[in-house]
Amino acid sequence: NAGVTQTPKFRVLKTGQSMTLLCAQDMNHEYMYWYRQDPGMGLRLIHYSVGEGTTAKGEVPDGYNVSRLKKQNFLLGLESAAPSQTSVYFCASSYARQTQYFGPGTRLLVL
Amino acid sequence: DQQVKQNSPSLSVQEGRISILNCDYTNSMFDYFLWYKKYPAEGPTFLISISSIKDKNEDGRFTVFLNKSAKHLSLHIVPSQPGDSAVYFCAAIPYGGATNKLIFGTGTLLAVQP
Repeated sequence: NAGVTQTPKFRVLKTGQSMTLLCAQDMNHEYMYWYRQDPGMGLRLIHYSVGEGTTAKGEVPDGYNVSRLKKQNFLLGLESAAPSQTSVYFCASSYARQTQYFGPGTRLLVL
Repeated sequence: DQQVKQNSPSLSVQEGRISILNCDYTNSMFDYFLWYKKYPAEGPTFLISISSIKDKNEDGRFTVFLNKSAKHLSLHIVPSQPGDSAVYFCAAIPYGGATNKLIFGTGTLLAVQP
């Protein structure tokens, strides 16, 4: 039982490049979330999903897209990376209105 | 507009003493409050929560107090241990809706000195 895993752990991109961050959970949770954490700030919600095939915008969705084709996976895409997207990205999952379980994070540096 | 605030970026306490971490919120429409603990290079892990209809919840060395009139939340750790050294985030869940979207504070770095 691995819980929530994230791939990759670290990535360096050049401005304008694209990439996809993968989140996988093996707890059969319906809800999944993507957050970003920046220095001096708490975690901010980017996008979330309440079930397979559904996605919704969070607090800071601009510049990101997501997909939830399978219940256990939640993908976060950056179509054209910008330096402002340099951050640590965390994925989380939960049952309905219950505790969220977080992955270890992905560090992204955009040059 | 920061709805959940942790005004102390850091706190240092001696091993065995009490650690008190504070959190203030500006919106009365929160249903649940939670504390998460985060070690470097790891994701946050859930520590303890409290419903808005309660004023205290206890779990071992950890106790969370909620003062609704003051819109204030605190986490007490007694006794503090070196392994408690981490960043602590408070978070709140708004009333209603089908999801528990968390609104996080900015975190407090706790250092427990041996």
